[in-house]
Amino acid sequence: QVQLVQSGAEVKKPGASVKVSCKASGYMFTSYFMHWVRQAPGQGLEWMGITKTSGGATTYAQKFEGRVTVTSDTSTSTVYLELRSLTSEDTAVYYCAREAASRRDGFKFDEWGQGTLVTVSS
Amino acid sequence: IQLTQSPSSLSASVGERVTITCRASQGISSYLAWYQQKPGKAPKLLIYAASTLQTGVPSRFSGSGSGTDFTLTISSLQPEDFATYYCQQFNNYPRTFGQGTKVEVK
Repeated sequence: QVQLVQSGAEVKKPGASVKVSCKASGYMFTSYFMHWVRQAPGQGLEWMGITKTSGGATTYAQKFEGRVTVTSDTSTSTVYLELRSLTSEDTAVYYCAREAASRRDGFKFDEWGQGTLVTVSS
Repeated sequence: IQLTQSPSSLSASVGERVTITCRASQGISSYLAWYQQKPGKAPKLLIYAASTLQTGVPSRFSGSGSGTDFTLTISSLQPEDFATYYCQQFNNYPRTFGQGTKVEVK
């Protein structure tokens, strides 16, 4: 069955970086894009960026440009989110979510990871 | 593109019909999805392409609209439907979400 399994919770100090992983299984990895979405405590969903796993092209929300990097490793079917210069405002649950690369099946996030809590605190 | 959901929260009873609206700041054709999220869980896809029901989602959920105005309807609210609902647009990047609508027990 399709699974997106994310790495475990992280606690970081302000100014540090964090790298969260999302390992995909049960489907053809390069047939789907992978997005990252975060949710601060008690808040809504915020889209961060996308990687097109076949080829590696990325697009980021302007808010995170220069501070975020999304990469993918097709050999392990794993996508990574790195966020740098962390502040307390980055405390959130981070989700990966897939979208089919084909126009016919795309335009929806049909599978999500379980979420990774990143806490930024001094 | 900004998505504005209304209401931000609502109280309803089991069996009631519930309607949530999502308005886009510019036209997005039918590139809209709806998700349900329960506390501590990842969002779950309900509707995509504005009105197509995701496989496995109960038929009491339906979506409509195109352009700038969209609606999610739950025809007869069930106990497991108390949750927060989000719309999301796929017309362009960034893939923005509405602010959410919390459906609570009356």
